[in-house]
Amino acid sequence: QSVLTQPPSVSGAPGQRVTISCTGSRSNIGAGNDVHWYQQLPGTAPKLLISVNTNRPSGVPDRFSGSKSGTSASLAITGLQAEDEADYYCQSYDGSLSGWVFGGGTKLTVL
Amino acid sequence: EVQLLESGGGLVQPGDSLRLSCAASGFTFSSYAMSWVRQAPGKGLEWVSSISATGNTPYYADSVKGRFTISRDNSKNTLYLQTTSLRAEDTAVYYCAKNPQNIVLVTDWFDPWGQGTLVTVSS
Repeated sequence: QSVLTQPPSVSGAPGQRVTISCTGSRSNIGAGNDVHWYQQLPGTAPKLLISVNTNRPSGVPDRFSGSKSGTSASLAITGLQAEDEADYYCQSYDGSLSGWVFGGGTKLTVL
Repeated sequence: EVQLLESGGGLVQPGDSLRLSCAASGFTFSSYAMSWVRQAPGKGLEWVSSISATGNTPYYADSVKGRFTISRDNSKNTLYLQTTSLRAEDTAVYYCAKNPQNIVLVTDWFDPWGQGTLVTVSS
């Protein structure tokens, strides 16, 4: 069981908007620790999508956005495209565990 | 272009040891902290270990503490993970990844990642 909780799956039709939640606790996100998001396309290594809650690295489309509030964070994807079909992971630091933690991952299906 | 290339994975028996390597190029390796993250087959990501740019300060997940040792050779632009007393639950693809600065901070993210090397622990 992951320290950060994500829905196992989400889906949406092309062009729609979907959000992926990442719920933590007072020892990680709620402690003010930053949240980062990764995209893992099938059979490939994870790729940084969002850093420090809201920052998009160069090359990441502005269809992807992140937010954080309290003990949770969210990744929003607008204008869904078939190429967005992948697994998405959130990541933060947990002070109780003294280590970096990931969510269990969310599989995005584009219908 | 930043490139990270892992090697050293393979099939080993429980209790065996294995040294993983990560060859870095395209950036000043000695200026950045580095990390290992693993992914069991069909499962999510798990942080394993991180090390500062100088190699003086290592960090480990509780699941590997005392069994794994992270190190680096800045003259060879290479990161290592020495694994010992391997267990079936250590079976995973092991990725190396670059941290954002020279020291390891709680705010760190991992970018980019190598393609990974598979470690299979089975009798």
